[in-house]
Amino acid sequence: TQLLEQSPQFLSIQEGENLTVYCNSSSVFSSLQWYRQEPGEGPVLLVTVVTGGEVKKLKRLTFQFGDARKDSSLHITAAQPGDTGLYLCAAMGGSNYKLTFGKGTLLTVNP
Amino acid sequence: NAGVTQTPKFRILKIGQSMTLQCTQDMNHNYMYWYRQDPGMGLKLIYYSVGAGITDKGEVPNGYNVSRSTTEDFPLRLELAAPSQTSVYFCASSYRLGTGGKDTQYFGPGTRLTVL
Repeated sequence: TQLLEQSPQFLSIQEGENLTVYCNSSSVFSSLQWYRQEPGEGPVLLVTVVTGGEVKKLKRLTFQFGDARKDSSLHITAAQPGDTGLYLCAAMGGSNYKLTFGKGTLLTVNP
Repeated sequence: NAGVTQTPKFRILKIGQSMTLQCTQDMNHNYMYWYRQDPGMGLKLIYYSVGAGITDKGEVPNGYNVSRSTTEDFPLRLELAAPSQTSVYFCASSYRLGTGGKDTQYFGPGTRLTVL
């Protein structure tokens, strides 16, 4: 079973601050995804990364896939209250074509 | 398009009761999934389907059953509800060619189930 470790588990910051959350594993993945889940809603896909070392930007969010395709990070610049939510990483790898989800990082951005 | 819809939104069951959680998608996706989400535990895959008539177990299938008679519908059945099945249940769907590569899953809004 592929295990995805996300850190930190909880993060509370003030509006305007920068932050980075991490998703790590000992397994190699063919692709890795980041989802955001708001209270009372289902997860929504933010980005998919497939190439080792790949960097993708989505407005103030920067996603990076590790060179060895075992880890990923999400950096948010100048966080806003609308960024509040649960950030989940999910990965697919090897012969197992099902997604494995991490436990998530619960981010709270205070005004 | 409505995307993925789930009913009911909330339900309280007594131990031993049964119920069916409904899931429908209107995106003509071939893959459908059922997950449960417990506090601080992420999403665990219960069952999935790669197309009508084909289903398979995920990580935590015990106590659940599914069927996939049409492309659109993927109901999840709880036969004898137990307190351990108290959770939030999410249905998702995706369109995939083959088994590798990307898999963009679209999630429904969830069903919050409490078993007392």
